[in-house]
Amino acid sequence: RKEVEQDPGPFNVPEGATVAFNCTYSNSASQSFFWYRQDCRKEPKLLMSVYSSGNEDGRFTAQLNRASQYISLLIRDSKLSDSATYLCVVDTGGGNKLTFGTGTQLKVEL
Amino acid sequence: ETGVTQSPTHLIKTRGQQVTLRCSSQSGHNTVSWYQQALGQGPQFIFQYYREEENGRGNFPPRFSGLQFPNYSSELNVNALELDDSALYLCASSPGPPGEQYFGPGTRLTVT
Repeated sequence: RKEVEQDPGPFNVPEGATVAFNCTYSNSASQSFFWYRQDCRKEPKLLMSVYSSGNEDGRFTAQLNRASQYISLLIRDSKLSDSATYLCVVDTGGGNKLTFGTGTQLKVEL
Repeated sequence: ETGVTQSPTHLIKTRGQQVTLRCSSQSGHNTVSWYQQALGQGPQFIFQYYREEENGRGNFPPRFSGLQFPNYSSELNVNALELDDSALYLCASSPGPPGEQYFGPGTRLTVT
């Protein structure tokens, strides 16, 4: 079983749609959780950290369920510029080992 | 821009050769991590250096080695290159573990 699992997609959605990505992780001792965004042929960039209480940044909402070892990302009112690959990331080493999922590809269309 | 630079941008090597990839971190960032990203996959953690000492390692063989220097630069060395080593190699720096990691643009290595 992979340490971090994501649906690879692609998710093709119309502009303005709401889309949700899910991620599961296997190491129950994991401490920190993140969503990174990676544009085609570019480096990953931090989108947001994920906290147990859930957190929101504009159109983006992240949730963590430790009991189910499950992380989610919700994007509301999708924009064309949201098209990218979204990587679920788990810190399994107390700050010295980030484990990335394979990424979920999102394509927002007119 | 993240302030993290990598060189070279692209590199073509032959199986069995050795390669050195370089990274320059943001000033003040004591931690640098290296990742390998194969096509269609997420980045895989190779190792991390903190204040010039290895601070964690992923499931990569010993022919992958690294160095970190006091001037916030670092190197990834790969010996005895194999075809499967073809990938994008990313370095990422942060002020100190744990913390947000700032990625460089990567070096795309092709092994033929």
